Amino acid sequence: DAGVTQSPTHLIKTRGQHVTLRCSPISGHKSVSWYQQVLGQGPQFIFQYYEKEERGRGNFPDRFSARQFPNYSSELNVNALLLGDSALYLCASTDGDFPYQETQYFGPGTRLLVL
Amino acid sequence: AQRVTQPEKLLSVFKGAPVELKCNYSYSGSPELFWYVQYSRQRLQLLLRHISRESIKGFTADLNKGETSFHLKKPFAQEEDSAMYYCALKPSGYSSASKIIFGSGTRLSIRP
Repeated sequence: DAGVTQSPTHLIKTRGQHVTLRCSPISGHKSVSWYQQVLGQGPQFIFQYYEKEERGRGNFPDRFSARQFPNYSSELNVNALLLGDSALYLCASTDGDFPYQETQYFGPGTRLLVL
Repeated sequence: AQRVTQPEKLLSVFKGAPVELKCNYSYSGSPELFWYVQYSRQRLQLLLRHISRESIKGFTADLNKGETSFHLKKPFAQEEDSAMYYCALKPSGYSSASKIIFGSGTRLSIRP
């Protein structure tokens, strides 16, 4: 297993545009979480999905949305991009059943630059 | 407010010296605490968690509820320990279980 995969690796957008980031979890993992990591800070929780349902949402505006597909892969969508959305976006998958999951396995991240 | 604080952005020690990476948290309930590590050009990965009470790569961390701390320690630093270390808190309770809170990280640099 290649572990958690994310695409694309890098992305450049302009203000006001829309972006879709993709994540494939480790085989057998039913939960995916998304994090935003701004330079110099730790990851900040955005969403968690388990069995295709949203199980948690962090303090992010409604411009951020996500979904999980039947194969447990996930998309993170950000509308009306702002300069402050420039960050590394991390996806993590977890085994086990919600809320008893513990170990998160992180992907390599997608680096988004908004100009 | 729930918060994880890592007061040191950078910690530099000599090889063979003891290491202590500080982590303090603010949470009213009984959280689960973790240390994650990111080595150069690698992914963020779990190092250890307090409920396991295990030692990984010579590192240990004890949860001190009185001081609300979860410091990471190693008696003798090795060059391969150089990495970015993040302390993380998982709240208790069904509705909050997914909202893991990370500290801002400490970069550990081991000098030869």
